[in-house]
Amino acid sequence: SAVISQKPSRDICQRGTSLTIQCQVDSQVTMMFWYRQQPGQSLTLIATANQGSEATYESGFVIDKFPISRPNLTFSTLTVSNMSPEDSSIYLCSGRTGTFEKLFFGSGTQLSVL
Amino acid sequence: AQSVTQLGSHVSVSEGALVLLRCNYSSSVPPYLFWYVQYPNQGLQLLLKYTSAATLVKGINGFEAEFKKSETSFHLTKPSAHMSDAAEYFCAVSDPGGSNYKLTFGKGTLLTVNP
Repeated sequence: SAVISQKPSRDICQRGTSLTIQCQVDSQVTMMFWYRQQPGQSLTLIATANQGSEATYESGFVIDKFPISRPNLTFSTLTVSNMSPEDSSIYLCSGRTGTFEKLFFGSGTQLSVL
Repeated sequence: AQSVTQLGSHVSVSEGALVLLRCNYSSSVPPYLFWYVQYPNQGLQLLLKYTSAATLVKGINGFEAEFKKSETSFHLTKPSAHMSDAAEYFCAVSDPGGSNYKLTFGKGTLLTVNP
């Protein structure tokens, strides 16, 4: 199984600043995804990170707010831009290898915005 | 559109007691169904999955779940809880015909096990 390292594990940020979350996989994965888990809510898919091209965003999420990069098959970043307290959440990356069932998750980034 | 409802955000059981975590889904097509577990400070791990084969699915750590189409349910059970089972559990559904096989998650159920 793939191991996904995600950092930072937590951060406290000021309103109006940006934070970049990194996700490194120890092997090549065909697809990578970014999720958000707001307090008391389910995991919500933000976008699919596409290698070498623009990410595919879900309804309600836009590139200006959550720019995503995926320069190769093992690495991706998510930036939370111009943060507000409403962005306080856990952000999770995941990667899929081959068949759909092989979906692996990072340990998450707990973000608090003051 | 798919959706998942997990009844009970927090379930507490005694060690050795039956664990029952409830999950109901809504899907316009025969779904794939999953249970994930998240231990503190760790990523989600796949416990078990239903992908249209046997309706009773066995997973890791003694957990199993039964797909009941008539009830649109996929409840997770374990006959005897262990202290190490304390974690958050997520039910998820996917449309196998979707291009990305995206997962829709429930809100999660926190399981605590009392000695």
